[in-house]
Amino acid sequence: QQQVKQSPQSLIVQKGGISIINCAYENTAFDYFPWYQQFPGKGPALLIAIRPDVSEKKEGRFTISFNKSAKQFSLHIMDSQPGDSATYFCAAWNSNSGYALNFGKGTSLLVTP
Amino acid sequence: EAEVAQSPRYKITEKSQAVAFWCDPISGHATLYWYRQILGQGPELLVQFQDESVVDDSQLPKDRFSAERLKGVDSTLKIQPAELGDSAMYLCASKKTHLGNEQYFGPGTRLTVT
Repeated sequence: QQQVKQSPQSLIVQKGGISIINCAYENTAFDYFPWYQQFPGKGPALLIAIRPDVSEKKEGRFTISFNKSAKQFSLHIMDSQPGDSATYFCAAWNSNSGYALNFGKGTSLLVTP
Repeated sequence: EAEVAQSPRYKITEKSQAVAFWCDPISGHATLYWYRQILGQGPELLVQFQDESVVDDSQLPKDRFSAERLKGVDSTLKIQPAELGDSAMYLCASKKTHLGNEQYFGPGTRLTVT
């Protein structure tokens, strides 16, 4: 059972535009929500993460928006660049369980010049 | 910068053959994960170790897959016999402790079963 649902499956954005990827979860025990970036042939790398006690976290051009009541969170990439072209995965985790991350299915982002 | 090491990076094997993957986590990381990532999907957990003990192997197909981390450091994942459906990327990841947040992935082993 997919515990984290991610959309869209693929996204094409022009250079300089805003890329937005959305995720939703059901398990209210999740309390840590990271985003991973994966380039072809590489393992996923942690990009940015948020805990549900804040509604937004920004690091450079990357922002996570978190809506606890709706059980949704999203990644915004401002001023998208061709080098941002990669697959992005959201994930969710219950830090009290000690178990593994639950990943979304991924979004393939292509930023065109 | 410390990294999770995996080998081989690529493996092509015929179905019914045995195959093994190796992972060396970041030094000092007690928690180790093996994930399987099918093309176009997110990583799915196969097995989680805390030191040398298995914490969760509920998604590991135990009739053909086995994993060990004998000294609580590096780990081996084995498939015997390999099936066509096992073609995927096998990712290893590690964390300092099972309650820690940051999880680091290795580059993965791309397995193709013919």
